[in-house]
Amino acid sequence: GAVVSQHPSRVICKSGTSVKIECRSLDFQATTMFWYRQFPKKSLMLMATSNEGSKATYEQGVEKDKFLINHASLTLSTLTVTSAHPEDSSFYICSASFQGYDYEQYFGPGTRLTVT
Amino acid sequence: QKEVEQNSGPLSVPEGAIASLNCTYSDRGSQSFFWYRQYSGKSPELIMSIYSNGDKEDGRFTAQLNKASQYVSLLIRDSQPSDSATYLCAVGSYNTDKLIFGTGTRLQVFP
Repeated sequence: GAVVSQHPSRVICKSGTSVKIECRSLDFQATTMFWYRQFPKKSLMLMATSNEGSKATYEQGVEKDKFLINHASLTLSTLTVTSAHPEDSSFYICSASFQGYDYEQYFGPGTRLTVT
Repeated sequence: QKEVEQNSGPLSVPEGAIASLNCTYSDRGSQSFFWYRQYSGKSPELIMSIYSNGDKEDGRFTAQLNKASQYVSLLIRDSQPSDSATYLCAVGSYNTDKLIFGTGTRLQVFP
């Protein structure tokens, strides 16, 4: 149980384009979903927290107009990186929780974004 | 002081030995504690969660929590080469409303 999928697993895009990443909880309803970013040999950095049907809460320093998050249902959240630049290249990972941040979070397999 | 601290390692142990991974945290309001395993190039996988002081065992894994000392550890018994990975400690607090991850300890289990 507690399986989270993420699509695509890898994406290469040109600078200035937008990329959408999907995160789905396959066998449970996720009240809360989280989006993280991880640079090589660095720890996970939380970008935003989203609850179904409400606006995402972004961490300090994360541009909400650049990283658009939609949590349309209890099983689906999307992250859109708008006008991507090479510095946005990173490993983006979503996680989902039955309840909130202080309960177990189950991670998707991640999306490796490369912006050329 | 970092919010969640882990020794980066690598921690090298022989196959069959006990691996001991440690984590300290700074926020006394922390109430939830997690250990994740992350293989190179992959996403984290939940290993253990612990919420109250003491030990919690699950198979070869034992999590230990001491809130007074602000310390949480993970013991891996009968370590296997497949346990070689980076282990992330994560701490949740009412004060921050999010999980804070440590930078991870790299474990190497050699045959």
